[in-house]
Amino acid sequence: KQEVTQIPAALSVPEGENLVLNCSFTDSAIYNLQWFRQDPGKGLTSLLLIQSSQREQTSGRLNASLDKSSGRSTLYIAASQPGDSATYLCAVLPSGGSYIPTFGRGTSLIVHP
Amino acid sequence: DGGITQSPKYLFRKEGQNVTLSCEQNLNHDAMYWYRQDPGQGLRLIYYSQIVNDFQKGDIAEGYSVSREKKESFPLTVTSAQKNPTAFYLCASSQGLSPLHFGNGTRLTVT
Repeated sequence: KQEVTQIPAALSVPEGENLVLNCSFTDSAIYNLQWFRQDPGKGLTSLLLIQSSQREQTSGRLNASLDKSSGRSTLYIAASQPGDSATYLCAVLPSGGSYIPTFGRGTSLIVHP
Repeated sequence: DGGITQSPKYLFRKEGQNVTLSCEQNLNHDAMYWYRQDPGQGLRLIYYSQIVNDFQKGDIAEGYSVSREKKESFPLTVTSAQKNPTAFYLCASSQGLSPLHFGNGTRLTVT
């Protein structure tokens, strides 16, 4: 059964730092990996989706990489801002037909001024 | 704008009552999902539907029921059989391998 782990569970950094959030998964048979942001009391907002054939995706200050063979993805946030404070979750979509994504528990990020 | 609408945002019920949470999407997605989120637990899958008139149990289906009579609608009923129904409920949809989209959630409180 696919398991997704996110480390660290929580992170507090000063504004302006570059930071890396980690997502690891146990089964490399995936179609894609998606990173989400969740603000308190809200739903999940999709940030980036990386297909299994891709190595990375970029959107503004966000860069997500995927190393499928080692079961790892990282989300890089450049020049962090207080508005980046949120919980970040990753989800993998397994190949094999079920189309049911498996989620990590998330990394809670606080960026303080 | 296309998206997923969950209503209501907050719901309060007395123990022993059934309650139905609404989820509507105008993205023309075939697949829809219901998740439950509790502090420290991550997202847990309750039910999912990959096509109209068909749905499957997820990891924690006991005490819940769903229907999928229309492509755009996937309501979730929390029955009195659910032992601990107070939680944040999230609805999502997708089409094939495209990104998963979420609604803004319903916070259910049962006293």
